[in-house]
Amino acid sequence: DTGVSQDPRHKITKRGQNVTFRCDPISEHNRLYWYRQTLGQGPEFLTYFQNEAQLEKSRLLSDRFSAERPKGSFSTLEIQRTEQGDSAMYLCASSPGTSGVEQFFGPGTRLTVL
Amino acid sequence: LAKTTQPISMDSYEGQEVNITCSHNNIATNDYITWYQQFPSQGPRFIIQGYKTKVTNEVASLFIPADRKSSTLSLPRVSLSDTAVYYCLVGDLNNNDMRFGAGTRLTVKP
Repeated sequence: DTGVSQDPRHKITKRGQNVTFRCDPISEHNRLYWYRQTLGQGPEFLTYFQNEAQLEKSRLLSDRFSAERPKGSFSTLEIQRTEQGDSAMYLCASSPGTSGVEQFFGPGTRLTVL
Repeated sequence: LAKTTQPISMDSYEGQEVNITCSHNNIATNDYITWYQQFPSQGPRFIIQGYKTKVTNEVASLFIPADRKSSTLSLPRVSLSDTAVYYCLVGDLNNNDMRFGAGTRLTVKP
C-alpha cells in the first residue's frame, strides 16, 4: 500500500497524559499536513510542512500541540497534557510539489481522552 | 478566505444524477474550487477541482458560472456507495490552508 499511513489508528489515554501520533506520507511528497476533525464537522487545518520546514503553525490549537518532520519524510504530532476536549480524529495528508493542488489523506488516528 | 455554504444534507436514489451546489460569494481572483468526498472513519478523498466554466473527470463534473460565486458538483448515476459527506473548499492553491465546512451529507437510497 503506497498511500498515507498513520499510527496508531486508535489511542485511548487519560487526561493529563502526553500522546504522539505518526504519519508516513506518500513517498516523495514534499508537503505534509495535519488536521483535526470532530464529530459532524469537517477537518480543521492545524499545520503543514514543506519537506522538513514547518511553514505554518499558527493554527495549532494551543502550545500543547507540536509537530515535527525531522528528515522531511515521516511526521509526528504530539499533544501534551491531554484534555477531554482533545478527543477527535487526527488526520494527516500529503501532496506533491509546492502547492496543495490535491491532498492525499491517511485514515486518521482517533484519540479518546478519558 | 472565502466562506462556503452548502446544504447540510441531500437524499437521492440509485441511478439518479445528483447536483450539490456550493455558494462562495467572496471568492477571490486567485481562488480555486475543490471538492472532497469523505466516508465514515476515512480521510477525505479529492474528487475534482476547477477555476471556471466546466471541469469533468471520470467520477464527476464541476460547473462554475462566470461570476464564480457558486459552483455545482454533479455526480452522474449515483450508487449506494456514493453515500458520503461532500465538502466544497475555496482557496488559493499556494495557501495550503484548506478550510472545510460541515459539508453535505448525501444519502443514496435503493
